[in-house]
Amino acid sequence: TAGITQAPTSQILAAGRSMTLRCTQDMRHNAMYWYRQDLGLGLRLIHYSNTAGTTGKGEVPDGYSVSRANTDDFPLTLASAVPSQTSVYFCASSDGAAGDEQFFGPGTRLTVL
Amino acid sequence: GQNIDQPTEMTATEGAIVQINCTYQTSGFNGLFWYQQHAGEAPTFLSYNVLDGLEEKGRFSSFLSRSKGYSYLLLKELQMKDSASYLCAVTDSNYQLIWGAGTKLIIKP
Repeated sequence: TAGITQAPTSQILAAGRSMTLRCTQDMRHNAMYWYRQDLGLGLRLIHYSNTAGTTGKGEVPDGYSVSRANTDDFPLTLASAVPSQTSVYFCASSDGAAGDEQFFGPGTRLTVL
Repeated sequence: GQNIDQPTEMTATEGAIVQINCTYQTSGFNGLFWYQQHAGEAPTFLSYNVLDGLEEKGRFSSFLSRSKGYSYLLLKELQMKDSASYLCAVTDSNYQLIWGAGTKLIIKP
């Protein structure tokens, strides 16, 4: 079972360029999430989706957009990358109830120069 | 504001016991999670507490006191593979997870 996959594994991007980070889950989970993880800080929620067709803003949504056209896929787009978006990005999914654990993808390491 | 506090780093000896503390101040409380994260890898679920008390799962136990805004993760019979970061996270009133910065645990032989 694949679980949750992300692509690419890592990327170096020039400032001002756009990029889409891909996330796919095969667990039929309702909820999906995008986090960024920076050294010395906790995971910070960028955007989330409680079910296909709906999305919401997390703690740090500026500069990012998402879509949830179906249950399995939850891409994250950076329209015009800036160096402060250099981070490790994790996608996660869960059944969506309060006590449900979140399953994480392997992460994408993004460097914006 | 919302805040999760945990020690930045701890060191323990193989075979020993270690307790990692987490205190929180959040807008509402709908449960507390502990996750383990090895360097360069994704976080993986360890435990979930929503009621006061101790939850035991093998070598790992997690305790919660809602009145004190406090939790701890207890690791027994430490093994070298337990070297990792341990992340505390609280589900707030909006059912979003608020994460602590994590505690890096170093195990020495």
